[in-house]
Amino acid sequence: EVQLVQSGAEVKKPGESLKISCKTSGYDFTTYWIGWVRQMPGKGLEWVGIIYPGDSDARYGPSFQGQVTISADRSISTAYLQWSSLKASDSAIYYCARHNRGDAYNVPFDRWGQGTLVTVSS
Amino acid sequence: EIVLTQSPGTLSLSPGERATLSCRASQTVYRMNLAWYQQKRGQAPRLLIYDASIRATDIPDRFSGSGSGTDFTLTISRLEPEDFALYFCQQYSTSRATFGQGTRLEIK
Repeated sequence: EVQLVQSGAEVKKPGESLKISCKTSGYDFTTYWIGWVRQMPGKGLEWVGIIYPGDSDARYGPSFQGQVTISADRSISTAYLQWSSLKASDSAIYYCARHNRGDAYNVPFDRWGQGTLVTVSS
Repeated sequence: EIVLTQSPGTLSLSPGERATLSCRASQTVYRMNLAWYQQKRGQAPRLLIYDASIRATDIPDRFSGSGSGTDFTLTISRLEPEDFALYFCQQYSTSRATFGQGTRLEIK
């Protein structure tokens, strides 16, 4: 069974760094693009970016380029989303999600993690 | 970047009625690379439809998708109580995918 299990909720102060994780199982982690989606409180979904763990090729949405870093550790089938300096406006739920076909880029997400709530407040 | 505009913002209907949700793109969505997701309160989104009209695994046949180019539609033929939720469209035809802002389907 395919599973994506995310790390727990985080409360941070502005300027702090953070790395959240998405541990996967039940499929070949290296052959499916996996991405991150942001949902700010009471708002819609925003495509943060995706990574191909096989070669760590990463793509970012325009609003997120330079603001976050997506990475993957093939040895433990885990993807990450990190910030070097958080802002209050980064407060949101972040979901990891997997593409629905291996080795395919232009496809939708079919498996999702449960979400990680990130709260940034002084 | 392709901007997706969903309408209406909120749709109020009764169980048993037919729901029609719209998703309009700012430019052509090639290869019909458009998906629909359902999100219930406190849950992650769930893939309903992909490639504009293909139902995802285990999705009931009351859900159907149609459209091409810049105009796409999600239709729920006969609403069940569990269908009242948020719905998002997503295009994945470009190198950076984008989502619509969502339609809230509420009980009238």
